Amino acid sequence: DAGITQSPRYKITETGRQVTLMCHQTWSHSYMFWYRQDLGHGLRLIYYSAAADITDKGEVPDGYVVSRSKTENFPLTLESATRSQTSVYFCASSEILAGGRILAKNIQYFGAGTRLSVL
Amino acid sequence: QKEVEQDPGPLSVPEGAIVSLNCTYSNSAFQYFMWYRQYSRKGPELLMYTYSSGNKEDGRFTAQVDKSSKYISLFIRDSQPSDSATYLCAMRGQGAQKLVFGQGTRLTINP
Repeated sequence: DAGITQSPRYKITETGRQVTLMCHQTWSHSYMFWYRQDLGHGLRLIYYSAAADITDKGEVPDGYVVSRSKTENFPLTLESATRSQTSVYFCASSEILAGGRILAKNIQYFGAGTRLSVL
Repeated sequence: QKEVEQDPGPLSVPEGAIVSLNCTYSNSAFQYFMWYRQYSRKGPELLMYTYSSGNKEDGRFTAQVDKSSKYISLFIRDSQPSDSATYLCAMRGQGAQKLVFGQGTRLTINP
């Protein structure tokens, strides 16, 4: 199916465990993003990537690691999960170029989210 | 103080009412303003996209941007139960790819 997919949709883990959340997009968009969504905070950017092998920190990167070896995949790893990382995680992608020109209007498309509980 | 402030609600109105959702922001560099709609247990989806100041209308939805006041609004006319969702404002500067989101307003339209 075309679009952006996240897996798993639900995950329960224990503190100290390593967890990897997957994100896959079929549009070949250049940019990909990871957000977490918590009550009272809205969507907060964890990490983003402008292209394969190019990643950068967002607002709340501590405790997370990302990689982007292929354009279509952008996994997010919690190296040692903590209870404060219980949240809903969303992946998004966007494209800034079309026909070699920068798009004035670029839209972020979101996946359905991964609901993570750290016990 | 957050860069973008949005009243989280919840907001509950009867069907057919006009709904007004608002965000204020502090960064004068923001040029692009968006409203995303998020249904329960789903990802956000783009609803409205505006550039700089002015109004944009799409069916029952109108987005307004007042850059002088650093204030954006989303109006929903003839609200329907299917409009029940969380509405998030988002914005970015010229050339920027990162969006800054408001906290989201949870809206319920009662039949």
